[in-house]
Amino acid sequence: QVQLTESGPGLVHPSETLSLTCTVSGFSLTGYSVYWVRQPSGKGLEWMGRMRYNGDTSYNSALKSRLSISRDTSKNQVFLKMNSLQTDDTGTYYCTRDRYKGVMDAWGQGASVTVSS
Amino acid sequence: EIVLTQSPTTMAASPGEKVTLTCRASSSVSYMHWYQQRSGASPKLWIYETSKLASGVPNRFSGSGSGTSYSLTINSMETEDAATYYCQQGSSYPPTFGGGTKLELK
Repeated sequence: QVQLTESGPGLVHPSETLSLTCTVSGFSLTGYSVYWVRQPSGKGLEWMGRMRYNGDTSYNSALKSRLSISRDTSKNQVFLKMNSLQTDDTGTYYCTRDRYKGVMDAWGQGASVTVSS
Repeated sequence: EIVLTQSPTTMAASPGEKVTLTCRASSSVSYMHWYQQRSGASPKLWIYETSKLASGVPNRFSGSGSGTSYSLTINSMETEDAATYYCQQGSSYPPTFGGGTKLELK
């Protein structure tokens, strides 16, 4: 059974760094790519970046200067770090599995992040 | 990057009514995926590669389209179909989503 679970702090102060972990089960990180997608409160979905199955990374150009994605295959975990957070970074952050052709066939339950002082 | 525009933004349908949601791309894409998101829940893959239903999706749903114009159709609206639907393209990097159509029950 494919599962993805996001974890991390619910509250981050402005200008600080957000660190999130996506723990996966039911599939291998060396066989599938994992994406990070975020959703500002009450708004739509934004693709943030990906950890490819071969270890390569790609980022949304709008976030590239602030974003870093890495992984630990031995722990089945993918990590997201984003610095210089502002209030408009508040929202829910999801990790998803890319089956192929950009099909996001499994999603985590989401990590709610509030940026506030 | 390819911009996806969904219409309408919001709509309401009565039980039994036929519903069509549209998604237009700023450039031609090879296929379109659709996700359903109920209130307070994570998005779920609903339709992939334009017309293939994800596991567990009722066959009253269908998808069609090509090039820059795609649609999701519900043959007969049911209560459980009230949700927000997002289209998404993965054939051109980076992947992009439409702004969503919120479908309500009338």
